[in-house]
Amino acid sequence: DVKVTQSSRYLVKRTGEKVFLECVQDMDHENMFWYRQDPGLGLRLIYFSYDVKMKEKGDIPEGYSVSREKKERFSLILESASTNQTSMYLCASSPSTRANYGYTFGSGTRLTVV
Amino acid sequence: DAKTTQPNSMESNEEEPVHLPCNHSTISGTDYIHWYRQLPSQGPEYVIHGLTSNVNNRMASLAIAEDRKSSTLILHRATLRDAAVYYCSWGNYGGATNKLIFGTGTLLAVQP
Repeated sequence: DVKVTQSSRYLVKRTGEKVFLECVQDMDHENMFWYRQDPGLGLRLIYFSYDVKMKEKGDIPEGYSVSREKKERFSLILESASTNQTSMYLCASSPSTRANYGYTFGSGTRLTVV
Repeated sequence: DAKTTQPNSMESNEEEPVHLPCNHSTISGTDYIHWYRQLPSQGPEYVIHGLTSNVNNRMASLAIAEDRKSSTLILHRATLRDAAVYYCSWGNYGGATNKLIFGTGTLLAVQP
């Protein structure tokens, strides 16, 4: 069965820390995505990547960066964590941009910044 | 501004059909409509998608309006396990801009 694995289920970090959220997929998918999920706001796209070393900003990229050095791994980086980045972070992947397939999501990382 | 609108919550009785609506008035002609559901403490799970025609699979049916500005997810016989948040989304598949725009979701409660 296809799988997207997020390395941590829960994280607590201090304001100003550099935070890495890791995501790995085992499906050889081209595309990977990072969303954050907040009550009343649904899922909002932070960044996505359509190939190794390629990335594009989503709707709310401020305060975040990403890295995709290998096809299966997509990392979200909070350069200097702030309390307004406390949220649920969801990673997803999908096959080629030219294919018509759904996304596969990970179980999420609930990040608390104190 | 791209937008997807769904009711915040709905209720259903077990074994009755459920129709979950979604408005996506800014969708373009090549954008696919997707539905996902999220059970408590889990990531969203793919349910169904379509472009213009109505679609059926083992989980649900998707009815798409002729002008494609709205769609309805149909659960034919709700079960207690269908209680979840249902997200409508749409996305453009092509080039480098493959990304889904999600709504805020509908919380479906199923009563026994």
